[in-house]
Amino acid sequence: ETGVTQSPTHLIKTRGQQVTLRCSSQSGHNTVSWYQQALGQGPQFIFQYYREEENGRGNFPPRFSGLQFPNYSSELNVNALELDDSALYLCASSPGGQSGNTIYFGEGSWLTVV
Amino acid sequence: QKEVEQDPGPLSVPEGAIVSLNCTYSNSAFQYFMWYRQYSRKGPELLMYTYSSGNKEDGRFTAQVDKSSKYISLFIRDSQPSDSATYLCAMIRSGGSYIPTFGRGTSLIVHP
Repeated sequence: ETGVTQSPTHLIKTRGQQVTLRCSSQSGHNTVSWYQQALGQGPQFIFQYYREEENGRGNFPPRFSGLQFPNYSSELNVNALELDDSALYLCASSPGGQSGNTIYFGEGSWLTVV
Repeated sequence: QKEVEQDPGPLSVPEGAIVSLNCTYSNSAFQYFMWYRQYSRKGPELLMYTYSSGNKEDGRFTAQVDKSSKYISLFIRDSQPSDSATYLCAMIRSGGSYIPTFGRGTSLIVHP
């Protein structure tokens, strides 16, 4: 158990719809990152939040957006869903600072877009 | 060319074998190196991390980093069927915001 919890675990959406995925970080971790993992691929970095501010973004379009709350939990929002958005979405938390390399993942949210 | 290259396998070995999993990389700025294990339809689990070159051992697992060759390895001794999973390497640049770059993962199958 990493202490990182994600919801929902599975969901099916229709192309064009919007989705919100949620993440609770491990206690004491102020940095949260989101990743997209397509089948047979490694996780691809979407963005990172540190103390409620976006702290880095990968090569994803603006329809991927996020939030971090004062308790360091986080949301990933995806608008105008496309079929290629079907993937496992992973949230990861880390303590930040010099220990930022210890990154712990949740179990992920499986998104299927039909 | 991707920054981190990893053979997807699958790698199939008999129980008890020594397994060698490898990644190569192109960016010399990588300083932190990690191995994650991912069971089917689950999130990645951090196995080991090392800083810069050298070896690190934890039970049946040994991580090895050769920065001069831009090559990292994970060795698993006395492999068990429960080790069957996908193994992801990941690397972080120094001085950055600790955002890892992942390989695509190697699928390992340990058969009884």
